[in-house]
Amino acid sequence: QVQLVESGGGLVKPGGSLRLSCAASGFTFNDYYMSWIRQAPGKGLEWVSYISGSGSTIFYADSVKGRFTISRDNAKNSLHLQMNSLRGGDTALYYCARGGGARGAFDIWGQGTMVTVSS
Amino acid sequence: DIQMTQSPSSLSASVGDRVTITCRASQSISNYLNWYQQKPGKAPRLLIYVASSLQSGVPSRFSGSGSGTEFILTISSLQPEDFATYYCQQSYSTPRTFGQGTKLEIK
Repeated sequence: QVQLVESGGGLVKPGGSLRLSCAASGFTFNDYYMSWIRQAPGKGLEWVSYISGSGSTIFYADSVKGRFTISRDNAKNSLHLQMNSLRGGDTALYYCARGGGARGAFDIWGQGTMVTVSS
Repeated sequence: DIQMTQSPSSLSASVGDRVTITCRASQSISNYLNWYQQKPGKAPRLLIYVASSLQSGVPSRFSGSGSGTEFILTISSLQPEDFATYYCQQSYSTPRTFGQGTKLEIK
């Protein structure tokens, strides 16, 4: 079945780095835009970034631009988010989701991976 | 950036009630409006896309309407499993933005 599984979250100190991954299965991965969306504890949803199927189109939220890098490996059906210069405000559950580009909805979501930025 | 505002922020209702949630965009987004349901400890689930299209597998008691700047999610007859938080989201422009959420609670 269609599935997204995130990994790579954890506890990191302010200024540190972390790389999140999302393993996709059950669909033709390179046909779809993929996105990262985060949710701070007890808060709402915040879109972070999306990437087109080929990787040629990428957008970021202003809050992460210059610090986060989205990428994908279509041969391995995987999506990544490299997070550098992490801040306390980046503490959140990070979801991988299918879609989001070309005016599309986020139609499949992973279960999320928690990132905590704290000294 | 396009701001999305939902009302109400919270709502108490009973099983069998008809419920409506409103989402307003700060500028016209045509019909590029999506609705999600999120239960505690779970990932969001897509319910409605492009304002009124029902996602596969979603019960027909959910419906969406609207265009431009005002949109409505309607649940025709609340079921126990519908008590959750609902979010609207615009896919008209980048950055993609969500409403603040509407928490639907049992009366």
